[in-house]
Amino acid sequence: NAGVTQTPKFQVLKTGQSMTLQCAQDMNHEYMSWYRQDPGMGLRLIHYSVGAGITDQGEVPNGYNVSRSTTEDFPLRLLSAAPSQTSVYFCASSLLNTGELFFGEGSRLTVL
Amino acid sequence: KQEVTQIPAALSVPEGENLVLNCSFTDSAIYNLQWFRQDPGKGLTSLLLIQSSQREQTSGRLNASLDKSSGRSTLYIAASQPGDSATYLCAVSGSEKLVFGKGMKLTVNP
Repeated sequence: NAGVTQTPKFQVLKTGQSMTLQCAQDMNHEYMSWYRQDPGMGLRLIHYSVGAGITDQGEVPNGYNVSRSTTEDFPLRLLSAAPSQTSVYFCASSLLNTGELFFGEGSRLTVL
Repeated sequence: KQEVTQIPAALSVPEGENLVLNCSFTDSAIYNLQWFRQDPGKGLTSLLLIQSSQREQTSGRLNASLDKSSGRSTLYIAASQPGDSATYLCAVSGSEKLVFGKGMKLTVNP
């Protein structure tokens, strides 16, 4: 099993550009989530989903959209990138009944 | 609001020492607590998950304990090795979604 796969690993954007960070898992996990990790701020939850067709906001949702059309995929969209969105983004998934969270390798985004 | 604290933020020790990493949380109504390891430039790797009904979990040289009433968990690392150098994070799941501590950077010197 590949686990949780994120693409791209690195991305540089200009302010105002849009992009999508991809996340896929092959473990049949119901729960999927996106975090951002910033120095001194720790990991903060952006959006999460408990199953296909169900999404909800986390602690820092502004500027980000998500959708969950399949169990496997949970893309994160930046509609109009801002320098404040420069960060490392992690996708994570788990089974609902155990809660053990598995992370992807991360996507490092720089917005100029 | 749940708050998770890990003190100290960094620790440097010689190889071979037995280590205790601390995690404290403010709301004892939790579903589980998870310890992670993060290597530089990498994602988080799950080390141990303790359900709220459990007191401890063990994996190899690692042992994690949970005391909900006092809002504390400890991660015990036996006979530390240079390969254990990493940042260790704890995270608590409760009425709020998973809340992370800011981590403790561990350096084990040969």
